Amino acid sequence: EVQLVESGGVVVQPGGSLRLSCAASGFTFDDYTMHWVRQAPGKGLEWVSLISWDGGSTYYADSVKGRFTISRDNSKNSLYLQMNSLRTEDTALYYCAKEDRGYSLKYWGQGTLVTVSS
Amino acid sequence: DIQMTQSPSTLSASVGDRVTITCRASQSISSWLAWYQQKPGKAPKLLIYKASSLESGVPSRFSGSGSGTEFTLTISSLQPDDFATYYCQQYNSLLTFGGGTKVEIK
Repeated sequence: EVQLVESGGVVVQPGGSLRLSCAASGFTFDDYTMHWVRQAPGKGLEWVSLISWDGGSTYYADSVKGRFTISRDNSKNSLYLQMNSLRTEDTALYYCAKEDRGYSLKYWGQGTLVTVSS
Repeated sequence: DIQMTQSPSTLSASVGDRVTITCRASQSISSWLAWYQQKPGKAPKLLIYKASSLESGVPSRFSGSGSGTEFTLTISSLQPDDFATYYCQQYNSLLTFGGGTKVEIK
């Protein structure tokens, strides 16, 4: 059974930093591109970033480019999101997701909540 | 960047109704479109991928169609479990989600 479990979400002040983690199990982690998607309270889904199976390619939404860094450790079946220079508008539930057929996202974690507030 | 526009943003319907949600892309995305259902407090659930392929385990009352810039999600006979918010997502150029369509009880 595929499982994705995010962690690391906390309350942080504007300008602060945070690293989110996603522990994956139930599939061959290093075969798949992985994504981070976020959802602000009461709002829609926003794609944040993706990383290729080997970590060789990474892409970001314009809203986080230059501030967030996605990475993975295939030996630990783990995905990460380093978040720097956090802004109040980064407040959201952050999901990790596994890319599947047709570049869709079939498996999602339960999300970890990041709150940026003074 | 490719923009995805969903309509309507809210839809009121009754059990048994046929429901159609539209998603328009700002440029052609071929068939690289997925549809998701999300219920409050839950992660999104994949319904349709590659515009018209039904994900395993999803009831056949859900169907997707379209290519290029115009896509639809149809629920042939709305069931009580279908009241939720639906999102489209393109993957022709990175990922973009539509703004969502909330299907409410009429």
